[in-house]
Amino acid sequence: DTAVSQTPKYLVTQMGNDKSIKCEQNLGHDTMYWYKQDSKKFLKIMFSYNNKELIINETVPNRFSPKSPDKAHLNLHINSLELGDSAVYFCASSQDGSSGANVLTFGAGSRLTVL
Amino acid sequence: GQNIDQPTEMTATEGAIVQINCTYQTSGFNGLFWYQQHAGEAPTFLSYNVLDGLEEKGRFSSFLSRSKGYSYLLLKELQMKDSASYLCAVMDSNYQLIWGAGTKLIIKP
Repeated sequence: DTAVSQTPKYLVTQMGNDKSIKCEQNLGHDTMYWYKQDSKKFLKIMFSYNNKELIINETVPNRFSPKSPDKAHLNLHINSLELGDSAVYFCASSQDGSSGANVLTFGAGSRLTVL
Repeated sequence: GQNIDQPTEMTATEGAIVQINCTYQTSGFNGLFWYQQHAGEAPTFLSYNVLDGLEEKGRFSSFLSRSKGYSYLLLKELQMKDSASYLCAVMDSNYQLIWGAGTKLIIKP
């Protein structure tokens, strides 16, 4: 069983389109995350969310919005896609986002290419 | 600002030992993590250090010195499958993870 699954794995789309990436975790974790990994391999946190609060990285454009229908799901919706949005997007989860030994389990990644 | 530094790339020989260094400057400290990321795959957890000293886990060991803002990951008896990027990450006082850019480790026969 896949612990953190995200779909689609690959997404190619045109500038200006709206797209979503779905993420589900079956680990019973309380906190979920979205990360962006660009061509230089930096992992940048976009959002973290548990059933109490949503923490947004202030550098993330408001074209990006997380949607969480329940504790096991955190989807990423992107409006008006731009060329610079091309990257690999990783979903992750952890038991507790507010403790030190906060080990993240990552999904396999979704490679987004904007043409 | 907060900063994590690690070498961009390292090369080592199969069967040898390699040490990957990580230095950090963060707002507070709640632990340091090492993750392994094979090309085209997700990062996977390797180790966690919150107290000074060496943590050993099989062929991999991780060391932390909080006073020096320094950690290293030691890989022994290198195997070809160890070719990957190794990411250092520090949890700051707000429990936010600050990531380094990763060290690409190339293993040669």
